[in-house]
Amino acid sequence: GAGVSQSPSNKVTEKGKDVELRCDPISGHTALYWYRQSLGQGLEFLIYFQGNSAPDKSGLPSDRFSAERTGGSVSTLTIQRTQQEDSAVYLCASSYQGSGEQYFGPGTRLTVT
Amino acid sequence: AQRVTQPEKLLSVFKGAPVELKCNYSYSGSPELFWYVQYSRQRLQLLLRHISRESIKGFTADLNKGETSFHLKKPFAQEEDSAMYYCALVPLSGGYNKLIFGAGTRLAVHP
Repeated sequence: GAGVSQSPSNKVTEKGKDVELRCDPISGHTALYWYRQSLGQGLEFLIYFQGNSAPDKSGLPSDRFSAERTGGSVSTLTIQRTQQEDSAVYLCASSYQGSGEQYFGPGTRLTVT
Repeated sequence: AQRVTQPEKLLSVFKGAPVELKCNYSYSGSPELFWYVQYSRQRLQLLLRHISRESIKGFTADLNKGETSFHLKKPFAQEEDSAMYYCALVPLSGGYNKLIFGAGTRLAVHP
Protein backbone atom coordinates (compact mmCIF):
# COMPACT_ATOMS: atom_id res chain seq x y z
CA GLY A 1 0.00 0.00 0.00
CA ALA A 2 0.95 3.63 -0.24
CA GLY A 3 3.21 5.06 2.40
CA VAL A 4 3.24 8.50 3.95
CA SER A 5 3.44 11.19 1.30
CA GLN A 6 4.50 14.82 1.65
CA SER A 7 4.33 17.79 -0.65
CA PRO A 8 6.09 19.70 -1.93
CA SER A 9 9.35 17.78 -1.88
CA ASN A 10 11.30 21.03 -2.07
CA LYS A 11 10.28 24.58 -1.28
CA VAL A 12 12.36 27.72 -1.67
CA THR A 13 10.84 30.85 -0.22
CA GLU A 14 11.88 34.36 0.63
CA LYS A 15 12.28 35.46 4.20
CA GLY A 16 9.03 36.81 5.56
CA LYS A 17 6.73 34.76 3.33
CA ASP A 18 4.30 32.13 4.62
CA VAL A 19 4.59 28.47 3.61
CA GLU A 20 2.30 25.44 3.87
CA LEU A 21 3.61 21.90 3.99
CA ARG A 22 1.29 18.96 3.46
CA CYS A 23 1.31 15.44 4.83
CA ASP A 24 -0.85 12.52 3.73
CA PRO A 25 -0.57 9.69 6.29
CA ILE A 26 -1.07 5.98 5.78
CA SER A 27 -4.76 5.18 5.56
CA GLY A 28 -6.12 4.05 8.92
CA HIS A 29 -3.32 5.59 10.98
CA THR A 30 -4.92 7.78 13.61
CA ALA A 31 -1.68 9.27 14.93
CA LEU A 32 0.32 11.80 12.93
CA TYR A 33 3.58 13.48 13.89
CA TRP A 34 5.67 16.34 12.51
CA TYR A 35 9.43 16.47 13.04
CA ARG A 36 12.14 18.80 11.82
CA GLN A 37 15.58 17.65 10.72
CA SER A 38 18.27 20.29 10.62
CA LEU A 39 22.06 20.29 10.71
CA GLY A 40 22.35 22.07 14.00
CA GLN A 41 19.47 20.47 15.88
CA GLY A 42 19.17 16.94 14.57
CA LEU A 43 15.69 15.42 14.57
CA GLU A 44 13.24 17.45 16.64
CA PHE A 45 9.64 16.66 17.49
CA LEU A 46 7.21 19.43 16.57
CA ILE A 47 3.62 18.29 17.08
CA TYR A 48 1.48 15.17 17.52
CA PHE A 49 -2.07 14.60 16.35
CA GLN A 50 -4.44 11.90 17.53
CA GLY A 51 -7.32 12.10 15.12
CA ASN A 52 -7.97 15.78 14.52
CA SER A 53 -6.82 16.97 17.92
CA ALA A 54 -3.28 17.90 18.90
CA PRO A 55 -2.63 16.82 22.49
CA ASP A 56 1.07 17.63 22.23
CA LYS A 57 2.24 20.84 20.57
CA SER A 58 5.24 21.16 22.83
CA GLY A 59 7.81 21.07 20.06
CA LEU A 60 6.54 23.98 17.99
CA PRO A 61 9.43 26.47 18.16
CA SER A 62 7.39 29.67 18.02
CA ASP A 63 3.91 31.02 17.44
CA ARG A 64 4.79 31.41 13.77
CA PHE A 65 4.33 27.64 13.50
CA SER A 66 0.90 26.05 13.43
CA ALA A 67 -0.59 22.81 12.20
CA GLU A 68 -3.98 21.35 11.60
CA ARG A 69 -5.41 18.03 10.64
CA THR A 70 -8.77 17.56 9.03
CA GLY A 71 -10.93 14.48 8.63
CA GLY A 72 -8.45 12.49 10.67
CA SER A 73 -6.23 12.33 7.61
CA VAL A 74 -4.30 15.07 5.81
CA SER A 75 -2.29 17.50 7.89
CA THR A 76 -0.88 20.91 7.01
CA LEU A 77 2.04 22.56 8.78
CA THR A 78 2.07 26.32 8.29
CA ILE A 79 5.03 28.57 8.94
CA GLN A 80 4.26 32.29 8.92
CA ARG A 81 6.81 35.02 8.26
CA THR A 82 9.56 32.51 7.54
CA GLN A 83 13.05 33.11 8.85
CA GLN A 84 16.36 31.69 7.65
CA GLU A 85 16.60 29.51 10.73
CA ASP A 86 13.43 27.73 9.59
CA SER A 87 15.43 26.15 6.77
CA ALA A 88 15.34 22.40 7.38
CA VAL A 89 13.78 19.15 6.24
CA TYR A 90 10.29 18.77 7.67
CA LEU A 91 9.30 15.15 8.20
CA CYS A 92 5.86 13.74 8.74
CA ALA A 93 5.19 10.34 10.26
CA SER A 94 2.12 8.33 11.06
CA SER A 95 1.33 5.34 13.23
CA TYR A 96 -1.59 3.15 14.15
CA GLN A 97 -3.00 4.91 17.20
CA GLY A 98 -0.04 6.18 19.22
CA SER A 99 3.16 4.24 18.84
CA GLY A 100 6.87 4.57 18.64
CA GLU A 101 6.69 2.43 15.51
CA GLN A 102 6.24 5.30 13.10
CA TYR A 103 6.24 5.42 9.32
CA PHE A 104 7.99 8.42 7.86
CA GLY A 105 7.39 10.38 4.72
CA PRO A 106 10.17 11.51 2.38
CA GLY A 107 10.20 15.00 3.85
CA THR A 108 9.91 18.54 2.53
CA ARG A 109 13.17 20.42 2.21
CA LEU A 110 12.49 24.07 3.04
CA THR A 111 15.02 26.72 2.13
CA VAL A 112 14.45 30.29 3.25
CA THR A 113 16.53 32.83 1.33
CA ALA B 1 15.08 15.44 31.37
CA GLN B 2 14.54 13.09 28.47
CA ARG B 3 17.64 12.74 26.35
CA VAL B 4 19.26 10.29 23.96
CA THR B 5 23.00 10.45 23.45
CA GLN B 6 24.89 8.93 20.55
CA PRO B 7 28.51 9.80 21.21
CA GLU B 8 29.90 8.97 17.79
CA LYS B 9 29.04 11.11 14.76
CA LEU B 10 30.88 8.74 12.43
CA LEU B 11 31.84 5.10 12.72
CA SER B 12 34.04 3.78 9.97
CA VAL B 13 34.74 0.03 9.65
CA PHE B 14 35.80 -2.50 7.06
CA LYS B 15 33.47 -5.12 5.64
CA GLY B 16 33.31 -8.17 7.88
CA ALA B 17 34.31 -6.28 11.02
CA PRO B 18 32.04 -6.15 14.09
CA VAL B 19 30.01 -3.01 14.63
CA GLU B 20 28.70 -1.41 17.79
CA LEU B 21 26.78 1.87 17.64
CA LYS B 22 26.44 3.34 21.09
CA CYS B 23 23.29 4.82 22.56
CA ASN B 24 22.67 6.05 26.08
CA TYR B 25 19.47 7.54 27.36
CA SER B 26 18.29 9.67 30.22
CA TYR B 27 14.74 9.17 31.43
CA SER B 28 13.29 8.84 34.89
CA GLY B 29 10.66 6.25 34.00
CA SER B 30 10.58 3.21 31.74
CA PRO B 31 10.98 4.23 28.12
CA GLU B 32 10.57 2.24 24.98
CA LEU B 33 13.71 2.26 22.85
CA PHE B 34 14.09 2.12 19.08
CA TRP B 35 16.70 2.18 16.37
CA TYR B 36 15.79 3.95 13.14
CA VAL B 37 17.91 3.91 9.99
CA GLN B 38 18.14 6.21 6.99
CA TYR B 39 19.88 4.84 3.91
CA SER B 40 21.13 7.24 1.26
CA ARG B 41 18.24 8.92 -0.57
CA GLN B 42 15.67 6.87 1.33
CA ARG B 43 13.24 7.79 4.05
CA LEU B 44 13.77 7.19 7.72
CA GLN B 45 12.60 3.72 8.70
CA LEU B 46 12.33 1.58 11.80
CA LEU B 47 15.13 -0.95 12.21
CA LEU B 48 14.21 -2.52 15.53
CA ARG B 49 12.55 -1.94 18.90
CA HIS B 50 13.65 -3.26 22.24
CA ILE B 51 10.40 -4.94 23.22
CA SER B 52 10.45 -7.22 20.19
CA ARG B 53 13.93 -8.55 21.01
CA GLU B 54 14.44 -9.62 17.41
CA SER B 55 17.34 -9.46 14.99
CA ILE B 56 16.83 -7.40 11.86
CA LYS B 57 19.38 -7.55 9.03
CA GLY B 58 21.75 -9.16 11.51
CA PHE B 59 21.49 -6.27 13.97
CA THR B 60 20.56 -6.73 17.62
CA ALA B 61 20.19 -4.32 20.51
CA ASP B 62 19.78 -5.08 24.19
CA LEU B 63 18.31 -2.67 26.67
CA ASN B 64 20.54 -2.32 29.73
CA LYS B 65 18.55 -0.44 32.34
CA GLY B 66 21.44 -0.37 34.79
CA GLU B 67 23.69 1.41 32.32
CA THR B 68 20.76 3.16 30.59
CA SER B 69 22.12 1.97 27.26
CA PHE B 70 20.69 0.47 24.08
CA HIS B 71 23.71 -0.20 21.89
CA LEU B 72 23.21 -1.57 18.37
CA LYS B 73 25.45 -4.46 17.36
CA LYS B 74 26.23 -6.54 14.32
CA PRO B 75 28.96 -9.19 14.26
CA PHE B 76 29.95 -8.79 10.60
CA ALA B 77 29.30 -5.48 8.86
CA GLN B 78 28.27 -5.37 5.20
CA GLU B 79 28.72 -2.50 2.73
CA GLU B 80 24.93 -2.19 2.45
CA ASP B 81 24.80 -1.34 6.16
CA SER B 82 26.29 2.06 5.40
CA ALA B 83 23.66 4.55 6.54
CA MET B 84 22.68 7.03 9.24
CA TYR B 85 21.48 5.36 12.43
CA TYR B 86 19.31 7.07 15.02
CA CYS B 87 18.54 5.83 18.49
CA ALA B 88 15.22 7.05 19.85
CA LEU B 89 13.04 6.72 22.89
CA VAL B 90 9.36 7.08 23.57
CA PRO B 91 8.52 8.15 27.11
CA LEU B 92 5.79 5.68 28.05
CA SER B 93 4.18 8.10 30.46
CA GLY B 94 3.53 10.42 27.55
CA GLY B 95 1.21 8.04 25.78
CA TYR B 96 3.39 7.34 22.76
CA ASN B 97 3.16 10.91 21.60
CA LYS B 98 6.64 11.46 20.27
CA LEU B 99 10.03 10.03 19.47
CA ILE B 100 13.03 11.66 21.09
CA PHE B 101 16.01 11.12 18.83
CA GLY B 102 19.72 11.08 19.37
CA ALA B 103 21.95 13.08 17.04
CA GLY B 104 22.64 10.02 14.92
CA THR B 105 25.73 8.04 13.94
CA ARG B 106 26.85 7.68 10.37
CA LEU B 107 28.11 4.16 9.72
CA ALA B 108 30.49 3.80 6.81
CA VAL B 109 31.43 0.25 5.84
CA HIS B 110 34.40 0.07 3.47
CA PRO B 111 35.18 -2.84 1.14
